[in-house]
Amino acid sequence: AQSVTQLDSHVSVSEGTPVLLRCNYSSSYSPSLFWYVQHPNKGLQLLLKYTSAATLVKGINGFEAEFKKSETSFHLTKPSAHMSDAAEYFCVVSDPGGSSNTGKLIFGQGTTLQVKP
Amino acid sequence: SQTIHQWPATLVQPVGSPLSLECTVEGTSNPNLYWYRQAAGRGLQLLFYSVGIGQISSEVPQNLSASRPQDRQFILSSKKLLLSDSGFYLCAWSVRLATDTQYFGPGTRLTVL
Repeated sequence: AQSVTQLDSHVSVSEGTPVLLRCNYSSSYSPSLFWYVQHPNKGLQLLLKYTSAATLVKGINGFEAEFKKSETSFHLTKPSAHMSDAAEYFCVVSDPGGSSNTGKLIFGQGTTLQVKP
Repeated sequence: SQTIHQWPATLVQPVGSPLSLECTVEGTSNPNLYWYRQAAGRGLQLLFYSVGIGQISSEVPQNLSASRPQDRQFILSSKKLLLSDSGFYLCAWSVRLATDTQYFGPGTRLTVL
């Protein structure tokens, strides 16, 4: 069965410093992996997606993530945090659902990113 | 381009009252549709998904139900709300068979008093 673990429930960084949000996954298939961001009282926005192409995936707003199969990790990084990056971040793995192909997603519990001035 | 709408944006309802939340998608045909609930301080819980008109799969037994009367319309309902139904409800869509990326609507904040 597919699962995903976000290793930190809360991360605090100073503006201009690097961001690292950690995610480990478990999958018996070749997974698709995602990072979504959610600002308060808003819907989720797709940051980036990995689908077995390049292991380093570049997303929007300067974020990127590296797929490491040997470590079963998909950590999200950004070289320099901006105040507008403060939000909730979700690591997600797809569940192929066998032949039904419903595309169900398995969400991590989320990491709250705080950016201090 | 595709857009997804949800309404209302916020809702305050008394315990025992009915509920109807609506989600519509524009710019695509035959989408997979999903209802999620996000309780305060918790992750997303998949409630229902639909792969076509009239086809609903329930992930979690509860007093909520879903319907899909049209291809791009997905409705979440309840006959009698409970306090525990409070939360942030998100609708999402994905392209059937082509990709499993899900695109989310703006959400509905439901408070049951």
